[in-house]
Amino acid sequence: QVQLVQSGAEVKKPGASVKVSCKASGYTFTSYYMHWVRQAPGQGLEWMGIINPSGGSTSYAQKFQGRVTMTRDTSTSTVYMELSSLRSEDTAVYYCATHSSSGSIWGQGTMVTVSS
Amino acid sequence: DVVMTQSPLSLPVTLGQPASISCRSSQSLVHSDGNTYLNWFQQRPGQSPRRLIYKVSNRDSGVPDRFSGSGSGTDFTLKISRVEAEDVGVYYCMQGTHWPLTFGGGTKVEIK
Repeated sequence: QVQLVQSGAEVKKPGASVKVSCKASGYTFTSYYMHWVRQAPGQGLEWMGIINPSGGSTSYAQKFQGRVTMTRDTSTSTVYMELSSLRSEDTAVYYCATHSSSGSIWGQGTMVTVSS
Repeated sequence: DVVMTQSPLSLPVTLGQPASISCRSSQSLVHSDGNTYLNWFQQRPGQSPRRLIYKVSNRDSGVPDRFSGSGSGTDFTLKISRVEAEDVGVYYCMQGTHWPLTFGGGTKVEIK
């Protein structure tokens, strides 16, 4: 079935980087843009950016420019989101999601904890 | 950035009664292609968000018809005709017309 499966929880120290993966299955990977959204504990949803799995082009929210990198591997139908220079405020659940008129699919979320 | 303002923050509802959530944007969400990219998402406790409505009023597959979306320009509404226990959760509007995409702050629906 159509699904997005994300990598497991991470614990990182301030200043480190984290790379979260999102593996797509059940549909043509290159047909739909992939979004990354995060949610701090008890807070709302925050859009981080988007990647076109076909050509690899990206667009990031200004807030994350310079710290986030989204990439994809078409051979494994996987997209990646790397966030660098982590700080405590980056503690959140990170989601990948794809939206179209055909439907909207979300990954199960990856908890990233930044703590010294 | 486009600011999405939802109200109310919290919505206690009696089972079987209607509920309505408002979402206002700081600028028009009409895209140059003529579409209005306003979506509604539901997030049940402990779950990933799920899209209910896209482009203002189009229900996603599998979404009960008690959910409906309406509005235009800068003013949008999500209505639940008769609230059921499974509708408990937080509802978010999200605009996809202007970059960056932005979400409303959320409305928590709970049963009285």
